[in-house]
Amino acid sequence: NAGVTQTPKFQVLKTGQSMTLQCAQDMNHNSMYWYRQDPGMGLRLIYYSASEGTTDKGEVPNGYNVSRLNKREFSLRLESAAPSQTSVYFCASSGGRIDSSPLHFGNGTRLTVT
Amino acid sequence: TQLLEQSPQFLSIQEGENLTVYCNSSSVFSSLQWYRQEPGEGPVLLVTVVTGGEVKKLKRLTFQFGDARKDSSLHITAAQPGDTGLYLCAGLYNFNKFYFGSGTKLNVKP
Repeated sequence: NAGVTQTPKFQVLKTGQSMTLQCAQDMNHNSMYWYRQDPGMGLRLIYYSASEGTTDKGEVPNGYNVSRLNKREFSLRLESAAPSQTSVYFCASSGGRIDSSPLHFGNGTRLTVT
Repeated sequence: TQLLEQSPQFLSIQEGENLTVYCNSSSVFSSLQWYRQEPGEGPVLLVTVVTGGEVKKLKRLTFQFGDARKDSSLHITAAQPGDTGLYLCAGLYNFNKFYFGSGTKLNVKP
């Protein structure tokens, strides 16, 4: 019963390097989300995908790109990492009625940019 | 700035005490959810409230959604060390995006 799986769990990048954070869910959910969590800031929405083939910007999309590869997978790419992108990144999915369905979260990717 | 403001940011209490966490916004939300997060893990849903004025109880936890659907509160009665964690509210905005509050870090001392 995997739920939402994120890889990698930890990553250290140098400024300017690129990387892709992977997320997969096995619950057949339509909606998927990427959040970042910083101390004292709660979770801030980076991008979301309401269904396969669609993506939209959230609160803090600058410096990121996303791909909804298929219904299961939603990846987040940092093209040129900056120290301000040091954070914990969470992927989430939801299904059913959006106003009453929970967000199911992965366990996060801890990213440090030096 | 964040759409949802949570208070207090930190709370440290003794076992057996009561507490209330607040979640406020100037925006109207379609629904509001409360999550609890443990260190090293993602948030886990506690409750969803949808109707203005709605009150839901989950054992020692009582959740309320404001009449105007702009605010919510979480009340814990007789807190226990197992209640320790980060509590987050999340509001559904425009029927397609969940925005989170900044969180309340609760520590219940035995």
